[in-house]
Amino acid sequence: KQEVTQIPAALSVPEGENLVLNCSFTDSAIYNLQWFRQDPGKGLTSLLLIQSSQREQTSGRLNASLDKSSGRSTLYIAASQPGDSATYLCAVSGDSWGKLQFGAGTQVVVTP
Amino acid sequence: SAVISQKPSRDICQRGTSLTIQCQVDSQVTMMFWYRQQPGQSLTLIATANQGSEATYESGFVIDKFPISRPNLTFSTLTVSNMSPEDSSIYLCSVELASGSRDEQFFGPGTRLTVL
Repeated sequence: KQEVTQIPAALSVPEGENLVLNCSFTDSAIYNLQWFRQDPGKGLTSLLLIQSSQREQTSGRLNASLDKSSGRSTLYIAASQPGDSATYLCAVSGDSWGKLQFGAGTQVVVTP
Repeated sequence: SAVISQKPSRDICQRGTSLTIQCQVDSQVTMMFWYRQQPGQSLTLIATANQGSEATYESGFVIDKFPISRPNLTFSTLTVSNMSPEDSSIYLCSVELASGSRDEQFFGPGTRLTVL
């Protein structure tokens, strides 16, 4: 059974620092991996999708890498801003049928 | 991307009652999913809802407790039946959109349910 772990569980950084969020999964036979952002009491916003054949994806200040063989993905957020404060979730899909297995998330606070 | 709306956005319900949550998508999609997020927890998949067939439930979730309808390609409902305080959660629907070889999921804003 796939298990997804996110470390650290919480992170507080001053504005301007780079953020590094880690996600690991036990079964490397994934179809894709997706990073989401969740604001308190809200739904999820998709940040980046990495197909299993890809090594990284970039969008603006966000960069996500994927090492399928070692079961790891890392989300980098450059030059953090207070608006980046949220919970970041990674999720893996084992096939094309869309079922996602989520990690517990990393709660990020960026202080001005 | 997809624009997904859910109704209600939140509700407070009494033990033993039922609540039906609606999910509307702005485009036709084959698969819709219902997730539960208990307080302080991550998301857990309840079921997959495909139009024209019965929903497929994950281990630990049963149709009698969480009946699902999928009358067309843009709409689905999830009912939480005979509620107890343990059902207090955020319920989210999601859809998968395929673009070439990419299958990306998008989520609705969620329904925050409190059961007294």
